[in-house]
Amino acid sequence: EVQLLESGGGLAQPGGCLKLSCATSGFTFSSHAMSWVRQAPGKGLEWVSAISGSGGNTFYADSVKGRFTISRDNSKNTLYLQMNSLRAEDTAVYYCAKDMTTVTRGPDYWGQGTLVTVSS
Amino acid sequence: DIVMTQTPLSSPVTLGQPASISCRSSQSLVHSDGNTYLSWLQQRAGQPPRLLIYKISNRFSGVPDRFSGSGAGTDFTLNISRVETEDVGVYYCMQATQLPLTFGGGTEVEIK
Repeated sequence: EVQLLESGGGLAQPGGCLKLSCATSGFTFSSHAMSWVRQAPGKGLEWVSAISGSGGNTFYADSVKGRFTISRDNSKNTLYLQMNSLRAEDTAVYYCAKDMTTVTRGPDYWGQGTLVTVSS
Repeated sequence: DIVMTQTPLSSPVTLGQPASISCRSSQSLVHSDGNTYLSWLQQRAGQPPRLLIYKISNRFSGVPDRFSGSGAGTDFTLNISRVETEDVGVYYCMQATQLPLTFGGGTEVEIK
């Protein structure tokens, strides 16, 4: 059974930082691209970042480029999102999502999400 | 970026009746590999999104056969043949042909 479990969310001040983790199980982690997708309160879905199965290719939405860094540890089956220079508009539930293939072609499984709140 | 436009915004449906949601992309979703990476997601209240349909018309594992997808190029449709109580929620189309991945604004399916 595929499982994705996010952690690391919480309250951060504007300009602060947080690091999200997504522990996975039930599939061959290194064979699948992974993404982070966020959802602001009461709003729709917004793709944030993606990483290929090997970790060699990373991609970012313009809204987070230069502030967020996606990474993965294939030996620990874990995905990360380092978020720096946080802004109020980064407030959202952040979902970790597994792709069907080693490159990004659309997620098939989603975690339960972790809430990030940016406020002073 | 590819813009995904969904209609309607809301779809009140009688139990047992069909529902249909449309999604239009601002450019063709046909990838250079010949596939069209258009998916449909369901999000029930307080839950994460769940994949229903991928590559236009392929039902994901465990998805009831009352859900079906169709379309090509820039115009796509999700059909629910007979709406059940458990189908209440927000439905999103999503394209993964080109980064950034983009989503439609969502269609809320509710029971009349």
